[in-house]
Amino acid sequence: GNSVTQMEGPVTLSEEAFLTINCTYTATGYPSLFWYVQYPGEGLQLLLKATKADDKGSNKGFEATYRKETTSFHLEKGSVQVSDSAVYFCALNPNTGNQFYFGTGTSLTVIP
Amino acid sequence: DTAVSQTPKYLVTQMGNDKSIKCEQNLGHDTMYWYKQDSKKFLKIMFSYNNKELIINETVPNRFSPKSPDKAHLNLHINSLELGDSAVYFCASSQTGDTQYFGPGTRLTVL
Repeated sequence: GNSVTQMEGPVTLSEEAFLTINCTYTATGYPSLFWYVQYPGEGLQLLLKATKADDKGSNKGFEATYRKETTSFHLEKGSVQVSDSAVYFCALNPNTGNQFYFGTGTSLTVIP
Repeated sequence: DTAVSQTPKYLVTQMGNDKSIKCEQNLGHDTMYWYKQDSKKFLKIMFSYNNKELIINETVPNRFSPKSPDKAHLNLHINSLELGDSAVYFCASSQTGDTQYFGPGTRLTVL
């Protein structure tokens, strides 16, 4: 079946620290992988995506590489800011229909 | 221009009432979704429509009934509201198999 396992939070970091949020997946076939971000009081927004193995998605200083050998799509940022405080969701689209599979979300708080 | 919009943004109501939430997308997408997000931020898919046809119908109480009058609109009607229905409800849309775009959410509080 299809599923996403995401690192549990909450995560608290100081400004300018390095961020990693782990995400692994199980899928049949060749999925597309996504990271979404949800700022307080808002809906989910696409942060980045990768559609095939070894692709790297990047946006706003965040990066994630689609690793088929380890079935992972870890989110990284070299230097976080207070404005990055949000909940981050890893998601999978198996490309065999319309359903997305979301992880449980990881809450990030960045303190000055 | 708002891509996916929902109304109302907040909904406070008494147990036993019936309420509706409306969703509209102007992206030209063919698929729309309803999700429920609980207080721990867990997202649960409820329904999905593709070109006005129901294609995903997860295990939700039959008090919840979606309706898609056209492919740009997906409404959610809830009968006999219960305390456990309190949550944030998100509408989303996508072109089949591609990125989902989310609305701002409707925070439902049942008293």
